[in-house]
Amino acid sequence: QSVLTQPASVSASPGQSITISCSGTTSDIETYDFVSWYQHHPGQGPKLILYDVSERPSGISDRFSGSKSDNTASLTISGLQAEDEGDYYCCSNTSGGTFVVFGGGTKVTVL
Amino acid sequence: QVEVQQWGAGLLKPSETLSLTCVVYRGSFSDHHWTWIRQPPGKGLEWIGSIDLRGSTSTDPSLQSRATLSLDASTRQFSLKLRSVTAADAAVYYCARVLYNHYAMDVWGKGTTVTVSS
Repeated sequence: QSVLTQPASVSASPGQSITISCSGTTSDIETYDFVSWYQHHPGQGPKLILYDVSERPSGISDRFSGSKSDNTASLTISGLQAEDEGDYYCCSNTSGGTFVVFGGGTKVTVL
Repeated sequence: QVEVQQWGAGLLKPSETLSLTCVVYRGSFSDHHWTWIRQPPGKGLEWIGSIDLRGSTSTDPSLQSRATLSLDASTRQFSLKLRSVTAADAAVYYCARVLYNHYAMDVWGKGTTVTVSS
């Protein structure tokens, strides 16, 4: 069982927006602003799409945005495209004895 | 563009030692921490451990007694050894570069599938 809680799946039509939540505790998300998000396609390594809650690495589309409130971080994908299909994982640093903890992943389906 | 390539044995018997290595192409090697992460079948990502150029390591407490991380700056390689594997260690193993001070991983290998079966 993953430390951070994400919905198992989210689906929407092309062009729509979706938001994926990631719930943690006072040991991680609520206390720190080091939340990152990863996009994962089968057979590839995960790809960093956001770090420090809302910062985008170079080359990442501005359709990806992030926010945080209390113990919950969120990833919003606007203008959903077919290429956005895949699994998305949240991650946070933690005072719980490990470097980082991850969510269980959310499968995004573009209808 | 920094690239990380990884390799290692994909089929192990219980009690054997998992051994994986990553090599870093292009970009700085010494300025970063390097990490190992795994994904058991049907589950989420799990952090295993991290290492820096000085050889300073940190490891998940649940794996600390079995995991050894090492690094060779001369060959730009870093490695993971996990002793006494069981079926619970079956997973896709990834190596990655740590975006230090941000607790994020910005460059990942493609992953190595490790199966544990007698």
